[in-house]
Amino acid sequence: NAGVTQTPKFQVLKTGQSMTLQCAQDMNHNSMYWYRQDPGMGLRLIYYSASEGTTDKGEVPNGYNVSRLNKREFSLRLESAAPSQTSVYFCASSESWVAYQPQHFGDGTRLSIL
Amino acid sequence: SQQGEEDPQALSIQEGENATMNCSYKTSINNLQWYRQNSGRGLVHLILIRSNEREKHSGRLRVTLDTSKKSSSLLITASRAADTASYFCGGAGGGNKLTFGTGTQLKVEL
Repeated sequence: NAGVTQTPKFQVLKTGQSMTLQCAQDMNHNSMYWYRQDPGMGLRLIYYSASEGTTDKGEVPNGYNVSRLNKREFSLRLESAAPSQTSVYFCASSESWVAYQPQHFGDGTRLSIL
Repeated sequence: SQQGEEDPQALSIQEGENATMNCSYKTSINNLQWYRQNSGRGLVHLILIRSNEREKHSGRLRVTLDTSKKSSSLLITASRAADTASYFCGGAGGGNKLTFGTGTQLKVEL
């Protein structure tokens, strides 16, 4: 049981390049999330998808776009990467959008933008 | 903005001792969750406490919640070296959208 799988695990980009981070879950979960983690900042929500076909902005959405491709997959796109987007990106999923659901996390994508 | 602020930022104890970390949050929540993160890995859910609960236990974990003070604590009893990790609290105010704190780094030494 793989849980939440993120690809790639590491990536180095140059400023201005674009990139899509992939996330897939095999738990038949309805809700999916993208976070970024910076030193000393904890995790901050970028975008989330409460259910297939819907996406909403989180706390720090600027510079990102998302696509809920199907129930399993939720991708995060950086259209024009900036050094401020250097971070570790985590995808998570939960059974539903209803409160009281634990979130299941992937192991992250470490992204450096030069 | 961060929902929760963990205290202390770092904690170093000996194996067998208890570890207590605290979390304060800013806005109303319907539940608060604690997660563990091992180095280089994603977060792992530990325990969830609802806003109408005051205390909850799971194995060596004990969580308390004081909604009047907007604070929670996580106690790990009889710590082991394998408990070395960062611990985060996350508050859920609407739906299942969590806002995390900055975390406590716990080091358990042999």
